[in-house]
Amino acid sequence: DTAVSQTPKYLVTQMGNDKSIKCEQNLGHDTMYWYKQDSKKFLKIMFSYNNKELIINETVPNRFSPKSPDKAHLNLHINSLELGDSAVYFCASSQVRGASDTQYFGPGTRLTVL
Amino acid sequence: DAKTTQPTSMDCAEGRAANLPCNHSTISGNEYVYWYRQIHSQGPQYIIHGLKNNETNEMASLIITEDRKSSTLILPHATLRDTAVYYCIVRVAGAGNMLTFGGGTRLMVKP
Repeated sequence: DTAVSQTPKYLVTQMGNDKSIKCEQNLGHDTMYWYKQDSKKFLKIMFSYNNKELIINETVPNRFSPKSPDKAHLNLHINSLELGDSAVYFCASSQVRGASDTQYFGPGTRLTVL
Repeated sequence: DAKTTQPTSMDCAEGRAANLPCNHSTISGNEYVYWYRQIHSQGPQYIIHGLKNNETNEMASLIITEDRKSSTLILPHATLRDTAVYYCIVRVAGAGNMLTFGGGTRLMVKP
């Protein structure tokens, strides 16, 4: 069974379009995240979200917005896509248990903006 | 979170132990050392974490120096499938804190 899943796996779109990437976790975790991995392979946190709080990395443009319909889902909406948004986007989830909050990652969504 | 320094790349022969070092000289008393890896084109995968004692699980061992300024991840019998980028991350555990990834070490396991 897939713990953290993302759809679609690949997304190719034109500049200026609005798109969404979906993420679902079946681990019962209370916190979910979005990370971006650019062409230089650096992984950067974008958002951290649980049912109480959204933490946004200050470098993320406001064209990006996470939306959580329920605890098991955290979707990423991107408005007015730009060439620089091309990257692989990873969703992750975790549950804090004492000192342990291992994050489990999805397989990634490769976004290409033309 | 404290900054970490890792070698850019390492090679290891298949079946031998892979020892991946990490320096974290500015680590704070409440910060843990975490290791994740990313196999090509996949999402990062948790390996192990520790505070000050050495830790071992089914994947690897983590050795942390007494002053906690450095650590070593040990893969006891590396296989070709262990070829990946390994990330050492220092952070306060819990509270859903985000992971800050550095450049990591690209480990190449060779036959």
